[in-house]
Order: sequence, then structure tokens, then C-alpha cells
Amino acid sequence: QAQLVESGGGVVQPGRSLRLSCAASTFTFPAYAMHWVRQAPGKGLQWVALISSDTTNEYYGDSVRGRFTISRDNSKNMLYLQMNSLRPEDTAVYYCAKSLLRGGITHGLNAFDIWGQGTMVTVSA
Amino acid sequence: QSVLTQPPSASGTPGQRVTLSCSGSRSNIVSYYVYWYQQLPGTAPKLLIYRNNQRPSGVPDRFSGSRSGTSASLAISGLRAEDEADYYCASWDDSLRGWVFGGGTKLTVL
Repeated sequence: QAQLVESGGGVVQPGRSLRLSCAASTFTFPAYAMHWVRQAPGKGLQWVALISSDTTNEYYGDSVRGRFTISRDNSKNMLYLQMNSLRPEDTAVYYCAKSLLRGGITHGLNAFDIWGQGTMVTVSA
Repeated sequence: QSVLTQPPSASGTPGQRVTLSCSGSRSNIVSYYVYWYQQLPGTAPKLLIYRNNQRPSGVPDRFSGSRSGTSASLAISGLRAEDEADYYCASWDDSLRGWVFGGGTKLTVL
């Protein structure tokens, strides 16, 4: 069974930066696109970003575009989320998730398959 | 406000059949597959239904999905106490060029 473990969360002041990491194991990480999804306390799920298996394509949700950057290191089986200019409304549990579809991005098919346990990010002065 | 619309709550008694709805539009549900996720309290979401009506291995056949026009449904038959959870629908939205979720339905087993 694929496993994903997030890390890097914590408390950060508004306007500052934070980088989240997601360590992947027991599946062929380089073959799958990967997502970040977040969930504010007591709220629903919100998609954040998607990166293709070969890093050539990235997609972002409207609320984070221009501030967050998704990246990956296939040699290390690692996924990252660089979060800049953080706002209080970015406070959430951040999950990394493996794409259901192996290979390239085909919109509508790269849904969220396996999820990590999440890492909490709190943006507060 | 979520792009996909789900009722905030639903309930049923053990053994009952319940149906959860998810309403969207031409740019998402009509044109792309719908996926359903179950989130038990304090845990990460779990894939329940993919491509409208397919179950991953290990998901009981008590769970079934369907799609018609701008709406999708998740049906749970033989309701059990352990089905008490939040349920989310998701789809790709071509206008937004991103994945969208419903606001979630909290299912209570009475």
C-alpha cells in the first residue's frame, strides 16, 4: 500500500514563508502526478496544487496561485509545497495525495488516491 | 461557497439506505468524472468511489455511485454505525482549470 508522510507544518506569522514536504514510499513515485489539498479547521476540503509526474506541468487553485509553488524530487521520492506571503486564511491541515492515474495528467482522471496523514499550518501573529 | 453543492447533513438508522447528493454544472460534473471521499473523524480522507461508480478494492459494495446530468449521488445501503463520517464529492472543473470539492455532507447514524 502506498504511503505518504507530510512534515514541515507549524506556526508562522502572516507574510512569512514555510515549506512543506511529503515523503513517498512503497509505490513508483516518479510515475504519478501528485497533489496538495488543505482543510481549514472545521471546514471542507480545498484543492491547492497539482504537479505532473515529470514536473513539466503545474496547476494551482485560485486562492494560492502566485504565492505557493509545488515541486518534486523524483530521485528522493519527495514532494514539496513552498508557501510564501502566508495569510491567516491559509491556516489548515495540508495533505499530500497521490494521483489515481499513473502517467501523465489527463484532466478529470488524476483524482486523489492515497492521502498522507496531514501536517498542520497555523498562520497567526 | 463550494463549486459543487452538497447538503451539509444527512442521517439514517442502522440497516437503512441513504443517498447523498452532489450538484454541479456543465464545466465539472457533466463533463468530467465524479469522485467520492469518506473522512472519518480525525483522519485523512479515503477514496470511496472513482469515475462516477467504480469502487476501489476493499470498499464494500454497500457503497455505490451514480451520475445524471448536473448531479451525482452516493448511496449507502445497510447503514452501519461505522459509516458515520463526512462525505465529499470532487471533480475537475474546466472553467476554473482545477479540482473542486463539494462542501461535504456530515452523515449521522442514529
